Amino acid sequence: DAGITQSPRHKVTETGTPVTLRCHQTENHRYMYWYRQDPGHGLRLIHYSYGVKDTDKGEVSDGYSVSRSKTEDFLLTLESATSSQTSVYFCAIKAGPSYEQYFGPGTRLTVT
Amino acid sequence: DAKTTQPTSMDCAEGRAANLPCNHSTISGNEYVYWYRQIHSQGPQYIIHGLKNNETNEMASLIITEDRKSSTLILPHATLRDTAVYYCIVSDSGSARQLTFGSGTQLTVLP
Repeated sequence: DAGITQSPRHKVTETGTPVTLRCHQTENHRYMYWYRQDPGHGLRLIHYSYGVKDTDKGEVSDGYSVSRSKTEDFLLTLESATSSQTSVYFCAIKAGPSYEQYFGPGTRLTVT
Repeated sequence: DAKTTQPTSMDCAEGRAANLPCNHSTISGNEYVYWYRQIHSQGPQYIIHGLKNNETNEMASLIITEDRKSSTLILPHATLRDTAVYYCIVSDSGSARQLTFGSGTQLTVLP
């Protein structure tokens, strides 16, 4: 499972509150990714990181920020959660001989 | 990344081989074909990948046509636990580029 954990696994929060999701990996992989998955949209990239303090935006980055202060942790923050951010969030790392991606178990976020 | 086309859904009898096709006619020379699957509510799971040669691992076989414009994922003896959405993705491997997931094929293994 490439040693990826996500926390929390489930969260319910109110509109307007800040939320931080954590992705933790144990194998010092350089590349880490945050995706969201919604019915009818499949997986869409939010942000990714290619090293400590090196991050870039994906296709649905509005309303999200990320930080990576150490190799093993990639944090996704919703500064002010909205109902449209209700989703399942997956973290991934890139590993293996051809940089295939391995995914965490996901975080189910509900914004009421 | 090149675009892929997959059937929306397929059924397969338990114990039989499941053959999942994928078209990627615009694939470029440095792009690999990756297959992932997602069992309901779990994170996507890497299955196999290839560049031009056929590949086999403990989970599946990947057959890529000589012109590389299409491929087939083969699950040799499908079980009920193989019921999932299967994604065919084309991407170069060496960059930070993310994977672009399409709609995939819903494979249902029937008892």
